[in-house]
Amino acid sequence: KQEVTQIPAALSVPEGENLVLNCSFTDSAIYNLQWFRQDPGKGLTSLLLIQSSQREQTSGRLNASLDKSSGRSTLYIAASQPGDSATYLCAVSLISNFGNEKLTFGTGTRLTIIP
Amino acid sequence: NAGVTQTPKFRILKIGQSMTLQCTQDMNHNYMYWYRQDPGMGLKLIYYSVGAGITDKGEVPNGYNVSRSTTEDFPLRLELAAPSQTSVYFCASTQRGLRNQPQHFGDGTRLSIL
Repeated sequence: KQEVTQIPAALSVPEGENLVLNCSFTDSAIYNLQWFRQDPGKGLTSLLLIQSSQREQTSGRLNASLDKSSGRSTLYIAASQPGDSATYLCAVSLISNFGNEKLTFGTGTRLTIIP
Repeated sequence: NAGVTQTPKFRILKIGQSMTLQCTQDMNHNYMYWYRQDPGMGLKLIYYSVGAGITDKGEVPNGYNVSRSTTEDFPLRLELAAPSQTSVYFCASTQRGLRNQPQHFGDGTRLSIL
């Protein structure tokens, strides 16, 4: 059974600092890995998706890496801003018998950027 | 575009009551999903559907039922509400035939069973 772990559960950093969020998974036979952002009382917003054949993806100040062999992914946030405060979740996908992608989520890291 | 819309946003039920959580999407997506999120936990898949008339169980299906009569709608039914079903429920969708596309999520339904 796939298990996804995110450590730490919570992180506070001063504004302007660069930071790294970690995600690990137990089964390397994944189809892709996704990073989501969740604001309080809201649904999830997709940030980055890394296909299993890729090593990293970048979007603006965000960079996500994937090492399938070690079962690890990191989300790097450069020059953090108070607006980055949210919970960040990673999820890995497998293909179901019907051909669609099924996601297994980590428990998330609650990030607070201190002005 | 509305995307994925969930109703109601909040609901309090008594033990043993039943209710239906509504989910509709206007993106013509074939794949739809129901998740629950408990405090401090990740999302767990309850049920999913790959098209009208086709559904399958996820990781935590017990106590729930689903149906999919149209492409747009994917309601989740609780027949006999139990305190263990207190959670935030999220509906999501994605397009069939497109791999490596992120799922689109609704804003959730916060459900309390008392």
